[in-house]
Amino acid sequence: SQQGEEDPQALSIQEGENATMNCSYKTSINNLQWYRQNSGRGLVHLILIRSNEREKHSGRLRVTLDTSKKSSSLLITASRAADTASYFCATASSYGKLTFGQGTILTVHP
Amino acid sequence: DVKVTQSSRYLVKRTGEKVFLECVQDMDHENMFWYRQDPGLGLRLIYFSYDVKMKEKGDIPEGYSVSREKKERFSLILESASTNQTSMYLCASSSPGQGGYGYTFGSGTRLTVV
Repeated sequence: SQQGEEDPQALSIQEGENATMNCSYKTSINNLQWYRQNSGRGLVHLILIRSNEREKHSGRLRVTLDTSKKSSSLLITASRAADTASYFCATASSYGKLTFGQGTILTVHP
Repeated sequence: DVKVTQSSRYLVKRTGEKVFLECVQDMDHENMFWYRQDPGLGLRLIYFSYDVKMKEKGDIPEGYSVSREKKERFSLILESASTNQTSMYLCASSSPGQGGYGYTFGSGTRLTVV
């Protein structure tokens, strides 16, 4: 069963712009994670935010979590062409097990 | 560099064949997972394991089985491959504790059943 749902499904921007992706989920969570997948490859873990945290930063990434609205957002600032990838949110609601959304396809044009 | 290694990047098998997908991790992780990824359906959990010789069904276990005889190796078995099992298969591992450290994924195996 899918827990997280990303919005938008696809996002196209110019290099230097910010990219914002949203994730909504249905049940209570222990943490929420974001992953990147380059075409045809495995997923790479980007950032984890725990249920008692509201915001977290890592380099050009900023993640927010609103547990009252059951939603999260991923902001990539000053996007680069190399950021072109699919981005997935995943929720951890039970011991060690993640449930993934369907992803947002981000295209950054040089 | 720690990693999860999947034995094949691309695999073509015939309908009815028994197929083994191998996954090895070198991080001494207790938890290992098998997902399949299909367009429009995202990643779906097939099986997972929290320890050697332990296995738990995920969301779509039908037509699959797994084996974990050693901590570092988690195998996915398609007992009798069918065309609807054509997919990208992703293995992942993590350390225990509510998924608190994130997953490390392999590069994936793209399986085509003809």
